[in-house]
Amino acid sequence: EVQLVESGGGLVQPGRSLRLSCAASGFTFDDYAMHWVRQAPGKGLEWVSGISWNSGNMDYADSVKGRFTISRDNARNSLYLQMNSLGPEDTALYYCAKDRSGAVAGDFDYWGQGTLVTVSS
Amino acid sequence: DIVMTQTPLSSPVTLGQPASISCRSSQSLVHSDGNTYLSWLQQRPGQPPRLLIYKISNRFSGVPDRFSGSGAGTDFTLKISRVEAEDVGVYYCMQATQFPFTFGGGTKVEIK
Repeated sequence: EVQLVESGGGLVQPGRSLRLSCAASGFTFDDYAMHWVRQAPGKGLEWVSGISWNSGNMDYADSVKGRFTISRDNARNSLYLQMNSLGPEDTALYYCAKDRSGAVAGDFDYWGQGTLVTVSS
Repeated sequence: DIVMTQTPLSSPVTLGQPASISCRSSQSLVHSDGNTYLSWLQQRPGQPPRLLIYKISNRFSGVPDRFSGSGAGTDFTLKISRVEAEDVGVYYCMQATQFPFTFGGGTKVEIK
């Protein structure tokens, strides 16, 4: 059974940093691209970033480019999102999602339950 | 960025009746590789999204056959042939033809 478990969320002050993690199990992690997608409270979905199976390709939404960094550790079956210079607009539930492909293709077939990030003073 | 526009915003449906959701993109979603990366996701209340349909019309594993997707170019449709109580939630279309990937605003399906 595919499982994606996010962690690392919490309350953080504006301008500070946070690192999210996603622990994957139930599939061959290093065969697939992975993504972060966020959902502000009561709002729709926003793709944040994706990374290919071998970390050779990474992409970001314009809203986070230069502030967020996606990475993965295939030996630990883990996905990460380093978030710097956080602002109130980054407040959201952050989901980890698996791609159906090894490339950053965008068919998100499995999702975690999400980890909540709240940016507030 | 490609803008995805969904209609209607809300769809009250009688149990057992069909429902249809439209999604229009601001530019063609045909990729240079010939594929069209348009998918549909369902988000039940309090749950993460779930993939229903990928590449316009391919039903994901375990998705009931009452869900179907169609369309081409810039116009796409998700149909539920007979709505069941478990179908209540918000439905999103998403394009992955061009970065950044973008979602429609969502359509809420509720029971009348």
